[in-house]
Amino acid sequence: GQQVMQIPQYQHVQEGEDFTTYCNSSTTLSNIQWYKQRPGGHPVFLIQLVKSGEVKKQKRLTFQFGEAKKNSSLHITATQTTDVGTYFCAGPDAGGTSYGKLTFGQGTILTVHP
Amino acid sequence: SAVISQKPSRDICQRGTSLTIQCQVDSQVTMMFWYRQQPGQSLTLIATANQGSEATYESGFVIDKFPISRPNLTFSTLTVSNMSPEDSSIYLCSVGRSGEQYFGPGTRLTVT
Repeated sequence: GQQVMQIPQYQHVQEGEDFTTYCNSSTTLSNIQWYKQRPGGHPVFLIQLVKSGEVKKQKRLTFQFGEAKKNSSLHITATQTTDVGTYFCAGPDAGGTSYGKLTFGQGTILTVHP
Repeated sequence: SAVISQKPSRDICQRGTSLTIQCQVDSQVTMMFWYRQQPGQSLTLIATANQGSEATYESGFVIDKFPISRPNLTFSTLTVSNMSPEDSSIYLCSVGRSGEQYFGPGTRLTVT
């Protein structure tokens, strides 16, 4: 079945440093989504990328979707303590509708030291 | 977006018993999803619940262990049956809307 791999598993940074997490799918994706889960919280939708090569920005966060639509990245510039949490990428199952189920990556746990 | 509530938020249960988790959405949705998340781990989909039909279970999950009800378009329940300590986990419901998924706050289950 479809697999979504995410690296690194953990990342510890000093406040102000940049952070990047990478996501790779075993299959071509119709879209890729990113979620953030704060410690003790539930996953919260951040963004969806649909087009090949797409780049989207949300303040200090930059999301990219690869040309082959099999990989993606999330980059945070100048991390802050509010960025702490686990970042998940997720892709819809092959053949799934936009309301369909997702396969989640393993997540990257980000800690930020002040 | 969607506002989702879950009950209970947490529970401690004895092995061999069952717990039913409720999920309520603020508006009608076609599909609801039930996930399990071990501490520090990713989300594992248990099943997809459509209103008016039987839930579709993922590999490794069976209806006898995790019966699901979906009586209407805003509500679903997941029962964890005959619990063992291995069932200790966070259980989350979610709904899809415009390709995005929205999660409930989760139910933290501890089985002793």
